[in-house]
Amino acid sequence: KQEVTQIPAALSVPEGENLVLNCSFTDSAIYNLQWFRQDPGKGLTSLLLIQSSQREQTSGRLNASLDKSSGRSTLYIAASQPGDSATYLCAGANQAGTALIFGKGTTLSVSS
Amino acid sequence: GAVVSQHPSWVICKSGTSVKIECRSLDFQATTMFWYRQFPKQSLMLMATSNEGSKATYEQGVEKDKFLINHASLTLSTLTVTSAHPEDSSFYICSARDIRSANYGYTFGSGTRLTVV
Repeated sequence: KQEVTQIPAALSVPEGENLVLNCSFTDSAIYNLQWFRQDPGKGLTSLLLIQSSQREQTSGRLNASLDKSSGRSTLYIAASQPGDSATYLCAGANQAGTALIFGKGTTLSVSS
Repeated sequence: GAVVSQHPSWVICKSGTSVKIECRSLDFQATTMFWYRQFPKQSLMLMATSNEGSKATYEQGVEKDKFLINHASLTLSTLTVTSAHPEDSSFYICSARDIRSANYGYTFGSGTRLTVV
């Protein structure tokens, strides 16, 4: 069964820094991997989706990569801003139509 | 893009009563929906997979008689927490995937915060 791990659990950086959030998964037969943002007490906002045939996706200051062979994905945030403060969740699905399995998240705090 | 509507966004109920949470796909049909539970400062844990027209598939450790799931149409799944107790207080969130979407991503409802007193 797929297991997803995220490190670090928490991260504090000053505004303007570039940062990398890490996600690892146990089953390399992953169908797709999705990164989400969750603000305190709120639902999920989808950030980026990477299909198994893709290696990376970009949206604005965000870039996510997927390396199936090593079982890793990274979320790169460029020029961080205080508004980026949130919990970032990584989730993967093994087959089309199956549920996403979530990591425990990385809580990011960007200070101004 | 695909939109999933979840209702109510929050509910407070007395111990022993039942609470129904609705999850609707607004602009697409979803033969499968997923229900998750999130305790404070923890990640989302999959509770069950809701299948249109058939029984839900529950994850290990989730009581199917306590968490009743009904997926009677292609756009609606409901989760009923029966005989709720304070330990059932949690954030419940549903998800569906629009297979028409070019990126086949998962869309989540806004969640329901349940407090049992």
